[in-house]
Amino acid sequence: EAQVTQNPRYLITVTGKKLTVTCSQNMNHEYMSWYRQDPGLGLRQIYYSMNVEVTDKGDVPEGYKVSRKEKRNFPLILESPSPNQTSLYFCASSEGSREVKETQYFGPGTRLLVL
Amino acid sequence: AQKITQTQPGMFVQEKEAVTLDCTYDTSDQSYGLFWYKQPSSGEMIFLIYQGSYDEQNATEGRYSLNFQKARKSANLVISASQLGDSAMYFCAMSVNRDDKIIFGKGTRLHILP
Repeated sequence: EAQVTQNPRYLITVTGKKLTVTCSQNMNHEYMSWYRQDPGLGLRQIYYSMNVEVTDKGDVPEGYKVSRKEKRNFPLILESPSPNQTSLYFCASSEGSREVKETQYFGPGTRLLVL
Repeated sequence: AQKITQTQPGMFVQEKEAVTLDCTYDTSDQSYGLFWYKQPSSGEMIFLIYQGSYDEQNATEGRYSLNFQKARKSANLVISASQLGDSAMYFCAMSVNRDDKIIFGKGTRLHILP
């Protein structure tokens, strides 16, 4: 089954404790992206990657890191989480053909609470 | 800069009625795509419909249609014969040809009343 998986689905942590949210897709997609969703703000793009070893900042990259060492994986790293990073996080992927009509496939989301 | 605006934070609609969710966009690019996603209370993001800037006809997918008015830069989602299961958050999004970013609106929460 074609899918995007994220782990963990729920996470409670404390300020400053490094964490990683994993994202994996099995569709051989080139484009992968991370979003955060906050009430009243919709989805905002954090980072995206057009291919292996190619990553770019989205609209809200501060406080986050990503890496793309393999095509299927795109982990999101919070080196020193703060309470304002409490949010619902989505990973998404698409073929990466740079066609505007590409549909993104979303993971199930990771709900993060930073105390 | 690209921007998506959804002006309706919430809507209440009687079951079986048609509903229109508003979306306006701003871009200086000529080539772009517009998307609508549905997010039910379970949280997943479900793709509904796509409209390309060069598409001459409005997109339709089952009960969903996109009312694309290019001159007004609007891409409203129309749901015909609404059902209780349509209660969800709806997001409008845009991608532009020269930029790899994808921009979402703030969403509209739709409530279908029995």
